[in-house]
Amino acid sequence: AQKVTQAQTEISVVEKEDVTLDCVYETRDTTYYLFWYKQPPSGELVFLIRRNSFDEQNEISGRYSWNFQKSTSSFNFTITASQVVDSAVYFCALRGPNYNTDKLIFGTGTRLQVFP
Amino acid sequence: EAGVTQFPSHSVIEKGQTVTLRCDPISGHDNLYWYRRVMGKEIKFLLHFVKESKQDESGMPNNRFLAERTGGTYSTLKVQPAELEDSGVYFCASSQGVTGDQNSPLHFGNGTRLTVT
Repeated sequence: AQKVTQAQTEISVVEKEDVTLDCVYETRDTTYYLFWYKQPPSGELVFLIRRNSFDEQNEISGRYSWNFQKSTSSFNFTITASQVVDSAVYFCALRGPNYNTDKLIFGTGTRLQVFP
Repeated sequence: EAGVTQFPSHSVIEKGQTVTLRCDPISGHDNLYWYRRVMGKEIKFLLHFVKESKQDESGMPNNRFLAERTGGTYSTLKVQPAELEDSGVYFCASSQGVTGDQNSPLHFGNGTRLTVT
């Protein structure tokens, strides 16, 4: 069975602090895809990143970075020098190898509040 | 390019009533998905359309839910009769072409918040 666990329900930080959002996944597939989405107060889900199971290279995009470790089945997301605009709910998601569907398995989300 | 739009943004209905949610995907996107988030829980897949055909409806909770996508453009999700446990945020998403081409990720709408009282 596939499952995504985001153990942190809510995190509060002060602006400029670094923060890491944890994501642990379970799957029996050898090929799979991992995602992070951001849900700002406006409500829409904004795509942030997709990683393939065969590519463990970490990725950095501006203040965002992702650490994918197959050995621990984790795909953690770090925001460096957080800003108030980073306040949102962040969802980690998993997809299997079927190329014909974007049926995603989501975690329960982590609410990040960044205070000025 | 207009994004995925959903209507209404909020809906409050009484138990036993009928509600119809609408989703307009991004123009040209063949794939359309419905997802739902019940309060505080994970976002769960409901179903997947490819054009007007249902590709996968394994996530539909029961036969009180009916999704349609006539003409392969916009989609509707009807809940009849609504129950208290149907409350949540219903998301629609679309993607272009075969989703295995992951250069085209899912684009989500703002969601419809449904409250059944």
